[in-house]
Amino acid sequence: GAVVSQHPSWVICKSGTSVKIECRSLDFQATTMFWYRQFPKQSLMLMATSNEGSKATYEQGVEKDKFLINHASLTLSTLTVTSAHPEDSSFYICSAGERGGPRPQHFGDGTRLSIL
Amino acid sequence: AQSVTQLDSQVPVFEEAPVELRCNYSSSVSVYLFWYVQYPNQGLQLLLKYLSGSTLVKGINGFEAEFNKSQTSFHLRKPSVHISDTAEYFCAVRKGGGSNYKLTFGKGTLLTVNP
Repeated sequence: GAVVSQHPSWVICKSGTSVKIECRSLDFQATTMFWYRQFPKQSLMLMATSNEGSKATYEQGVEKDKFLINHASLTLSTLTVTSAHPEDSSFYICSAGERGGPRPQHFGDGTRLSIL
Repeated sequence: AQSVTQLDSQVPVFEEAPVELRCNYSSSVSVYLFWYVQYPNQGLQLLLKYLSGSTLVKGINGFEAEFNKSQTSFHLRKPSVHISDTAEYFCAVRKGGGSNYKLTFGKGTLLTVNP
């Protein structure tokens, strides 16, 4: 149980395009979803926290207009990288927290984004 | 705020040897502690967690960890490692309570198991 599906797993696109990444909780309701960015050989950096039906809370230094997050339902959150540039290339990972109780977050398999 | 220190960035060991990956945390409130494993180009998989109760926690793949409140540590151990255990390991902490508190990660420890 507690599976998080993240799609796509790999995307390559031209500079200036926008890219949408989906994160779905397949068998549980995720009241809260988290979006992380990971640079090579580094730890995860939290970008934002989103609660279903409300605006995301961004960490300091993360551009909310660059990284648009939507959490429209209890099973789906999306991250859109707008007007992507090569410096946005990275590994993006989502995680989801189950409703109620001190349960651990469950992680998606990540999306490798490469901007040419 | 919480913080996590993983004392070793890399740990090389031989197959079938025991291993300990060290993790220390700091927090002014009660916390939950986690160990995650990340294989190349993949997300994170939960190895084990400490929420409350017994300080010795057993996880998947033969790993265990011991919560030591006085030393604010949560070291991960395995008595005999396999080649397949080669991966990045992350210790994480979050404030106790519901599911919507953010995790704070350590910088990770790369475990390399050599034949």
